[in-house]
Amino acid sequence: DIQMTQSPSSLSASVGDRVTISCRASQSINSFLNWYQQKSGKAPKLLIYAASSLHRGVPSRFSGSGSGTDFTLTISSLQPEDFATYYCQQSHSTPQTFGRGTKVEIK
Amino acid sequence: QVYLVQSGAEVKKPGSSVRVSCKASGGTFSSETISWVRQAPGQGLEWMGSIIPIFTTAKYSQNFQDRVMITADESTTTAYMEITSLRFEDTAVYYCARGPQREYSSWLDYWGQGTLVTVSS
Repeated sequence: DIQMTQSPSSLSASVGDRVTISCRASQSINSFLNWYQQKSGKAPKLLIYAASSLHRGVPSRFSGSGSGTDFTLTISSLQPEDFATYYCQQSHSTPQTFGRGTKVEIK
Repeated sequence: QVYLVQSGAEVKKPGSSVRVSCKASGGTFSSETISWVRQAPGQGLEWMGSIIPIFTTAKYSQNFQDRVMITADESTTTAYMEITSLRFEDTAVYYCARGPQREYSSWLDYWGQGTLVTVSS
């Protein structure tokens, strides 16, 4: 199985900060990498698919980059509604696997 | 707009079975994939398996291969996930989610609201 390692596991940031979350795959997954946001008690929401494509309706302050084994989710200017947990997921092959999540908290 | 509406919360005894439904609307059920993802309390997301309704075949995570069955009914655009031989550690929220392509492994662009299954004696 492909292991997905996210870092950091949590971070504290202020409104307006630029935030970067990393995700590393245990083997090359080309661009088969997706990012989700989950707020407490709610279902996850797709933010980015295929490493860098913005899902419809997602604000442009979210962006994704990377290929192969190393990927990044960037929030260019953190907004109050962005405080949540973020997960990466590889869809290169089954079993599709998720990272353990990064919790973004208010500083 | 795609909607996935799941059945309600369940409380089950160890050793019993549970079936969760996921009614899809607004998409093209036969051209999509429905996946099931589990989230134990305070934990991350775990893929259980996926089905491509038009093919009626499912792929499963090895962690669930022996106890989970995923099915789909094209006539009602509803997918089902059944777990047998329930254990306390199966207590979790179970989500269905849509993959927009006929691929067992895909990004998941729309999710159901989640169904809490509690296993308790």
